[in-house]
Amino acid sequence: SQQGEEDPQALSIQEGENATMNCSYKTSINNLQWYRQNSGRGLVHLILIRSNEREKHSGRLRVTLDTSKKSSSLLITASRAADTASYFCATDVGPISNFGNEKLTFGTGTRLTIIP
Amino acid sequence: DAGVIQSPRHEVTEMGQEVTLRCKPISGHNSLFWYRQTMMRGLELLIYFNNNVPIDDSGMPEDRFSAKMPNASFSTLKIQPSEPRDSAVYFCASSSKGFRTGSSYNSPLHFGNGTRLTVT
Repeated sequence: SQQGEEDPQALSIQEGENATMNCSYKTSINNLQWYRQNSGRGLVHLILIRSNEREKHSGRLRVTLDTSKKSSSLLITASRAADTASYFCATDVGPISNFGNEKLTFGTGTRLTIIP
Repeated sequence: DAGVIQSPRHEVTEMGQEVTLRCKPISGHNSLFWYRQTMMRGLELLIYFNNNVPIDDSGMPEDRFSAKMPNASFSTLKIQPSEPRDSAVYFCASSSKGFRTGSSYNSPLHFGNGTRLTVT
């Protein structure tokens, strides 16, 4: 089964509203990352939150991490039509080594549609 | 920065044929990853390299799949012979060696736009 599972699987909201997506995972992590994928394109990194952090902001994005519940949320404020995409969480569970990013495991994704 | 470049963008082939997918990582990145994306299984890590050396190929589904990285600027993923169930989008991603800060490394992945493979 997936290490990370996003909820909901699909979300449709009106432009200007806030969008919240959740990610749950099973094992201890080094960090958790969120990526966006537009149709027909590769994934684009949005934000990374380390296991010892609880909240992080980047522009209209806010990510929270609750390691006790093994969950994270991504909030997009004041949504725009251009935010329409699939959003994935990814967890880094590999052993700390010299190899850096190891075994980044992606969740199943949330498909976000912003209605103009 | 041209980003990660994959070729071809689309590949349609018949069952039994050999398929070779190509990837040029971002210059200076020393880790390279091959992922496969399908509706049923999502994104699966197939193999990753560090400094051109394969580190973990446990995600490679079968012996029909092989990957090489002869130098820091080029990698290939080969399927021989191909089967219809190999149909998927194959992504290449690269990252720089992370620096250790606290308890984890910070090295986001940079993805190419993928190769959509259809095996008939």
